[in-house]
Amino acid sequence: ILNVEQSPQSLHVQEGDSTNFTCSFPSSNFYALHWYRWETAKSPEALFVMTLNGDEKKKGRISATLNTKEGYSYLYIKGSQPEDSATYLCAYGSSNTGKLIFGQGTTLQVKP
Amino acid sequence: KAGVTQTPRYLIKTRGQQVTLSCSPISGHRSVSWYQQTPGQGLQFLFEYFSETQRNKGNFPGRFSGRQFSNSRSEMNVSTLELGDSALYLCASSGLGATGTQYFGPGTRLLVL
Repeated sequence: ILNVEQSPQSLHVQEGDSTNFTCSFPSSNFYALHWYRWETAKSPEALFVMTLNGDEKKKGRISATLNTKEGYSYLYIKGSQPEDSATYLCAYGSSNTGKLIFGQGTTLQVKP
Repeated sequence: KAGVTQTPRYLIKTRGQQVTLSCSPISGHRSVSWYQQTPGQGLQFLFEYFSETQRNKGNFPGRFSGRQFSNSRSEMNVSTLELGDSALYLCASSGLGATGTQYFGPGTRLLVL
C-alpha cells in the first residue's frame, strides 16, 4: 500500500506570516510529485509537478522543493494572504500513468 | 482552451440504482483519470483511461466501471448504489502520464439515499 502523508493537517496563520507544509511519500518507484491548491467550491488547481531529486519550483509567493531519496517535499508560502486560504494537496505518481496517490491535505486559514 | 467539464454537477439517487457520470477532457488530452472524494478519505483514485483503454485501476469494487470513447470523453458507471457511494466524483485530464499536469473538472456530487 502506498501512503502519502501530509503535515500539519491544518494551519491557522496571520496575514503576512510565512508558512510551510510537508509531504512524505514512498521513495521507491518515484515518477512525479504534484502539488495542488483546492479552494472551497472550486476544482483542484495544479501548482507544481516535480520529477527530479533536488527540484525547486516557484510560482509567485509559493515555492516547493523535492527530495526523492528520502521521500519528502516541502511547500512554502511567503507572506501569506487571505486568498491563500485553501487546502493544499500533494500527490505521488509511482508509474508513468495518470494514477496519483493523494495525501489528505493541509488546510490553511489565513486571518486578515 | 476549454477546461474539463463534468455532467451532471449534482445527482440524487436511491440505493440499488445505477448512475453514469460523464467527463469531457481538455481538447487534445488522451488521459482521463477518475477520483472519489469522501469526507475523511481524501481523493481516492478510481481508474485511468488512455486512448480508450483502462491503463490503471484503484482499489474499488467491480460495481465501479468506466470507459473512454474515441474523442477521449469518458464515462464512469456505478451499479447497485450504496449509501457509502455518496461522494464528490472528480475527473482529471492530462496530456502525459505521471509527469503531466492533471487538470480537474468541477466534479459531480452524488447523494445516495
